[in-house]
Order: sequence, then structure tokens, then C-alpha cells
Amino acid sequence: GDSVTQMEGPVTLSEEAFLTINCTYTATGYPSLFWYVQYPGEGLQLLLKATKADDKGSNKGFEATYRKETTSFHLEKGSVQVSDSAVYFCALSESSGTYKYIFGTGTRLKVLA
Amino acid sequence: DAMVIQNPRYQVTQFGKPVTLSCSQTLNHNVMYWYQQKSSQAPKLLFHYYDKDFNNEADTPDNFQSRRPNTSFCFLDIRSPGLGDAAMYLCATSSATGASPLHFGNGTRLTVT
Repeated sequence: GDSVTQMEGPVTLSEEAFLTINCTYTATGYPSLFWYVQYPGEGLQLLLKATKADDKGSNKGFEATYRKETTSFHLEKGSVQVSDSAVYFCALSESSGTYKYIFGTGTRLKVLA
Repeated sequence: DAMVIQNPRYQVTQFGKPVTLSCSQTLNHNVMYWYQQKSSQAPKLLFHYYDKDFNNEADTPDNFQSRRPNTSFCFLDIRSPGLGDAAMYLCATSSATGASPLHFGNGTRLTVT
């Protein structure tokens, strides 16, 4: 079945550092890919998405590019802030008509002032 | 703003005492989901509805049931909560296209005493 693999955390960075969180996937067909962010005690919020190969999703300074050749969707941000501290989840939507979404295990990011 | 609303935010129940969590949406989405999340792990899908069609995950315990009386509302019933059922329960919706992201509520934190 489809699956998503995320780099393990926690990731600890200083403010203004460059962020990369790796995400790779296996899927049949052509899934859509998503990054969600979860702040403490809250639900998941959509951060960005990409629906086809070579699409770049971006939001709030975060970017990720749908790379079909490497089956990857790595999340990047050029300069992190303390307010970016959260858990980040990579996910895909199955393209087999099941209406299911597969999540990675999440990566906790802690940004220090 | 269109949204997914979960009530209550915090729920305490006793071991073995039935409890119901509720979710409503103003997005008019076809699909509604219930996820269980423990300690910022990946959300675990319990079941989902496409309109009135109910889809149970194979590993969802019989202790968990759901009702969707109309498009806007969905309920999660836990018939006999155990200590292991303490978790965050997340409701989500989607519009049933592959490119549509999940829209999450803020969750209900269930404590079992």
C-alpha cells in the first residue's frame, strides 16, 4: 500500500537557520502531496500542497517541490522563527478512489531564540 | 469562515462509561473522517464517511462507532472507554477530489479516569 516516510525528529535550530525536513513516499498512481503543521493542543493545519510532478507548494516562507523521479516532497524554509516551532506532517492522498490520506510520523521542530 | 468544529475541546470520562464526541462542518464536504492521535504521533484513521457510506478501518476496535445523521454532523461514540483510549480525537473533512486537502477541527482531548 501507499506510505510516507519522514525524517525523525526532533530537529532543533537557531532562529534564522535554514530548515529542511525530508519526506519520501511510495504510491501507486499519482497522489497529491501535502504538508501539515500542528501547534501544541491544536488540530492539523494545511501548510502547503502540490498536486502533480514538479509543482511547488509554498506558504508563509515554506516551500516543497513534488519530485516524481525521487518520490520526494521535502519541506524547506530559508530562515526559521521561534513561532515555527511545531510538529510537521507530510501526507499524501491515495489516488485509488478510497478518499484516504496517508500521514508520515511527524517531525518536531524546535527553534531557539 | 467555513470550518470544522469539534465539541467539547476537553472531555473527561470514567473507565467503561460511554462517551460521545461531536463534529460539525460548514464546508459542505462529502467526506468526514475521525482520527485518533496519541502524543503528536501520526493521526490514525478510525473510519470515514462518504456521504452516508460508512468505511471502517480493519484495525478499528469494535468499541468505536460513528454516526453521521446529515452532511454537517458526525459523531464518535466510544462504548466502553479504556485507559488506552485516552488520546486526541480529530475530525476532518474533504471534498472528495484527490487534490483536496483535509480540513481539521481543533480536536477533542479525551481523558479516561
